[in-house]
Amino acid sequence: EVQLVESGGGLVQPGGSLRLSCAASGFTFSNYAMSWVRQAPGKGLEWVSGMSGSGDVARYADSVKGRFTVSRDNSKNTLDLQMDSLRAEDTAIYYCAKGKAPVDMVFDFWGQGALVTASS
Amino acid sequence: EIVLTQSPATLSLSPGERATLSCRASQSVISYLAWYQQKPGQAPRLLIYDASNRATGIPARFSGSGSGTDFTLTISSLEPEDFAVYYCQQRYHWPPVTFGQGTRLEIK
Repeated sequence: EVQLVESGGGLVQPGGSLRLSCAASGFTFSNYAMSWVRQAPGKGLEWVSGMSGSGDVARYADSVKGRFTVSRDNSKNTLDLQMDSLRAEDTAIYYCAKGKAPVDMVFDFWGQGALVTASS
Repeated sequence: EIVLTQSPATLSLSPGERATLSCRASQSVISYLAWYQQKPGQAPRLLIYDASNRATGIPARFSGSGSGTDFTLTISSLEPEDFAVYYCQQRYHWPPVTFGQGTRLEIK
């Protein structure tokens, strides 16, 4: 059974940093692209970042480019998102999502999400 | 960036009725369009990918059609558990992957 479990969310002041982690199980992690998708309170879905299964390709939404860094450890089956210079508009639930193939942005499994609140 | 526009914003129907949800892309995405269902307090769930392929475990009452810029999600006969928010998503031109703003399907 595929499982994605996010951790690391919380309250942070604007300008601060936070690191999210996603622990994956139930599939061969290195064979699949992974992404972070967020949802601000009461709003729709916004793709944040994606990484290929091998980890050699990483892409970002313009809204987070230069502030967020995605990484993965295929030996530990984990996907991380380092978030720096956080803004109030980064407040959202952050979902870890699995792609259907090594470089694929169709998300066939999702975690339950981690809430990030950037507020003073 | 490809913009996806979903219509209607809200659809009010009764169980047993047929639901038709639309998604229009600002430029062609070929058939690289997916549909997701999201219920309150839950993560999204993949329903349809590549415009017309049902994801694993999705009931046959869900179907997708379209290509280029115009796509449709059809639910042939609504069950009580189908009332939720539905999002379309394109991956043809990325980054960024983009989502539509969502259609809320509510009980009439």
